[in-house]
Amino acid sequence: SQTIHQWPATLVQPVGSPLSLECTVEGTSNPNLYWYRQAAGRGLQLLFYSVGIGQISSEVPQNLSASRPQDRQFILSSKKLLLSDSGFYLCAWGRNYGYTFGSGTRLTVV
Amino acid sequence: AQSVAQPEDQVNVAEGNPLTVKCTYSVSGNPYLFWYVQYPNRGLQFLLKYITGDNLVKGSYGFEAEFNKSQTSFHLKKPSALVSDSALYFCAVRDRGDSWGKLQFGAGTQVVVTP
Repeated sequence: SQTIHQWPATLVQPVGSPLSLECTVEGTSNPNLYWYRQAAGRGLQLLFYSVGIGQISSEVPQNLSASRPQDRQFILSSKKLLLSDSGFYLCAWGRNYGYTFGSGTRLTVV
Repeated sequence: AQSVAQPEDQVNVAEGNPLTVKCTYSVSGNPYLFWYVQYPNRGLQFLLKYITGDNLVKGSYGFEAEFNKSQTSFHLKKPSALVSDSALYFCAVRDRGDSWGKLQFGAGTQVVVTP
């Protein structure tokens, strides 16, 4: 069966520090991968999506970047965090009209 | 461009009463439609989806939704709400013509079921 792992679950980082959130998928190959951010416990904003290794598309210009070094690995990064980067980050994979979401990372920038 | 509107920030219902969560959408082509539920500090759990076929879709935990093309709506319903249904509900749309498979989410509706 397909599973998606996302870590860490919780992260507190100071302003100006770097960020790396990782997401891996098991049980499928060549999935479409997505990073979403949920601010203030409500709406989800699509940040990045990828349909293959090394292929990244950005939905919203911002302080973050994404990479896909392997088929089933998706990484969200920042060189210098801002307070506004705080939120709940969700990774998801999609294939054939089905989408599965990770358990999320709660990022607090202080 | 695609968009989703969930007009109610919160829906309050007594346990045992019918529950409805509203969703309308806008896409340039034909839609794929989804409902997800989120419990505090958790990921999204899939409830149901409309891809094609019967406009009435039945999903997990007794939920169902009806695709109405003329009204561009996909309201979520449950005949008898449970306290455990209290959560944040998201409607999402994907344009069939979008080969990237991007989902656009609504702002979410908080459901509160009181005993």
